[in-house]
Amino acid sequence: EAQVTQNPRYLITVTGKKLTVTCSQNMNHEYMSWYRQDPGLGLRQIYYSMNVEVTDKGDVPEGYKVSRKEKRNFPLILESPSPNQTSLYFCASSFRDQKREQYFGPGTRLTVT
Amino acid sequence: DQQVKQNSPSLSVQEGRISILNCDYTNSMFDYFLWYKKYPAEGPTFLISISSIKDKNEDGRFTVFLNKSAKHLSLHIVPSQPGDSAVYFCAASARGIQKLVFGQGTRLTINP
Repeated sequence: EAQVTQNPRYLITVTGKKLTVTCSQNMNHEYMSWYRQDPGLGLRQIYYSMNVEVTDKGDVPEGYKVSRKEKRNFPLILESPSPNQTSLYFCASSFRDQKREQYFGPGTRLTVT
Repeated sequence: DQQVKQNSPSLSVQEGRISILNCDYTNSMFDYFLWYKKYPAEGPTFLISISSIKDKNEDGRFTVFLNKSAKHLSLHIVPSQPGDSAVYFCAASARGIQKLVFGQGTRLTINP
């Protein structure tokens, strides 16, 4: 089954404790992206990647890191989480020439206390 | 600066009637528009799109209308069904820009 998977689905952590949210897709997509969803703000892009070893900042990259060492994986790293990073996070992927019709993962709800 | 706006946080419609969801944008460089649908505890799924060279695109019960002069698009669902109850996000992209810009979302509830 074609899908984007994210782990964990739910996470409660404390300020400053490094964490990684994994994202994997099995559709051989070149383009991958991370979004956060907050009430009243919709989805905002954090980082995106056009292909392996090619990443770039989205609209809200502060406090986040990403890497793209393999085509299928695009982990999101929070080196020192803060309470304002409490949010619902989505990973998405698509073919390079169809990057606007993206496939989304199920989401990761992160709470930072 | 919210470049894509959905001014109605929620909408309630009777089953069988027409649902109309609205979206406004400010960036005249946007040339492609999409609607995504999101159920609780799931990620958004692509629903329908329209290029700026068109003013209408239809797919079954779903039709998207684009009014470029007003910088406005709308999604019509006819007839509305209980399974259409979800949050709908409008999104836009500009040629050569590698991202989608999303609106805030509208929660649609279809009442039996």
